[in-house]
Amino acid sequence: GENVEQHPSTLSVQEGDSAVIKCTYSDSASNYFPWYKQELGKRPQLIIDIRSNVGEKKDQRIAVTLNKTAKHFSLHITETQPEDSAVYFCAAPTGRRALTFGSGTRLQVQP
Amino acid sequence: DAMVIQNPRYQVTQFGKPVTLSCSQTLNHNVMYWYQQKSSQAPKLLFHYYDKDFNNEADTPDNFQSRRPNTSFCFLDIRSPGLGDAAMYLCATSIGWNTEAFFGQGTRLTVV
Repeated sequence: GENVEQHPSTLSVQEGDSAVIKCTYSDSASNYFPWYKQELGKRPQLIIDIRSNVGEKKDQRIAVTLNKTAKHFSLHITETQPEDSAVYFCAAPTGRRALTFGSGTRLQVQP
Repeated sequence: DAMVIQNPRYQVTQFGKPVTLSCSQTLNHNVMYWYQQKSSQAPKLLFHYYDKDFNNEADTPDNFQSRRPNTSFCFLDIRSPGLGDAAMYLCATSIGWNTEAFFGQGTRLTVV
């Protein structure tokens, strides 16, 4: 079946450093790639998404890059802050429809 | 202000006793999803609807069923909850495919 693989599972960085999380997907027809942030005990919330007609998208300290040929996309967080600490999930459509989530990355930003 | 509302926030049920979780939305979105999320794991898709068109994932247990009587409401029925069904159940909506999914706050189910 379709799946989305995400790594690393945990990531610890010093405040101010950059963090990169990577995902690969299997369905070549997928055309929408969101990233969600989930803080402890809270719902997942969209932080950025990208469609297959662009290779990169930025929103302040957050960026997402997409390589359709290699079927992978990455989340980049620059100048990390303690409030960036959370679990981050990538997702991609399965069967071109409902979103399947990656296994998640627990990001810890050390002050 | 809440757009996707789940009730109750916390549900305790007895082993084998049927339980229903509810979700409502004020966004008038076409798509509604139910995800199961266990501790430290990713949300796992159980069902989704596009309007009244129902889809369940191949590995969703038969013990789980869903109903969507109208655009605004969706229910998750667990016919005979087992200890392994204890989890956070997340409802989400989106206007269509390949668009942002908005999540409710979830219902944390405990099975005793």
